[in-house]
Amino acid sequence: DIQMTQSPSSLSASVGDRVTITCRASQGITNSLAWYQQKPGKAPELLLYAASRLRSGVPSRFSGSGSGTDYTLTISSLQPEDIATYYCQQYYSIPRIFGQGTNLEIK
Amino acid sequence: EEQLVESGGGLVQPGGSLRLSCSASGFTFSGYWMTWVRQAPGKGLEWVGDIKQDGSDRHYVDSVKGRFTISRDNAKNSLYLQMNSLRAEDTAVYYCAKEVGATIGPYYYYYIDVWGKGTTVTVSS
Repeated sequence: DIQMTQSPSSLSASVGDRVTITCRASQGITNSLAWYQQKPGKAPELLLYAASRLRSGVPSRFSGSGSGTDYTLTISSLQPEDIATYYCQQYYSIPRIFGQGTNLEIK
Repeated sequence: EEQLVESGGGLVQPGGSLRLSCSASGFTFSGYWMTWVRQAPGKGLEWVGDIKQDGSDRHYVDSVKGRFTISRDNAKNSLYLQMNSLRAEDTAVYYCAKEVGATIGPYYYYYIDVWGKGTTVTVSS
């Protein structure tokens, strides 16, 4: 199975900060990676797919990059409504493993 | 609007069974792979398994193989998760989700684009 190591597990930042979350796969996954945002008590929502493709309607302050085994989710200017837990998920092979999640808080 | 609504959750004793249902609307259900994802209390997301459009192919995470069965009824726009031999560690919110794919260059990328609100399963005596 491909393992996904997401870091950090928690992050505190100020409004307006640039925030970066990383996901490392145990083997290359050829950009078969999606990022999801989950707010407390809610179902997750898709942010990006194919590592860097922004879902329609998602604010452009969210972006994704990476290749091979290493991928990054960046929020260019943190907003209060971005408080959530963020998950990556690989879609390269079965099982479709999620990262452990990053809990993002406002400082 | 594309929508998924789960039902069937509840309290069940260890060793018991439960069948979850997911009703789909707003899209052509028979055209998509469908997935179950769960989330234990205070924990992260765990992919449980998925099923092909016509039900001819299914995949499961190792921890549920032989105990859980995913099925679908395209005529009823419904997805199911039959859970047997339930354990305390199966306690979670279970989400039904729709998988889609996109062709970018030479590759085809899957991802989940629609999630249900979830149904809670508690395994306890």
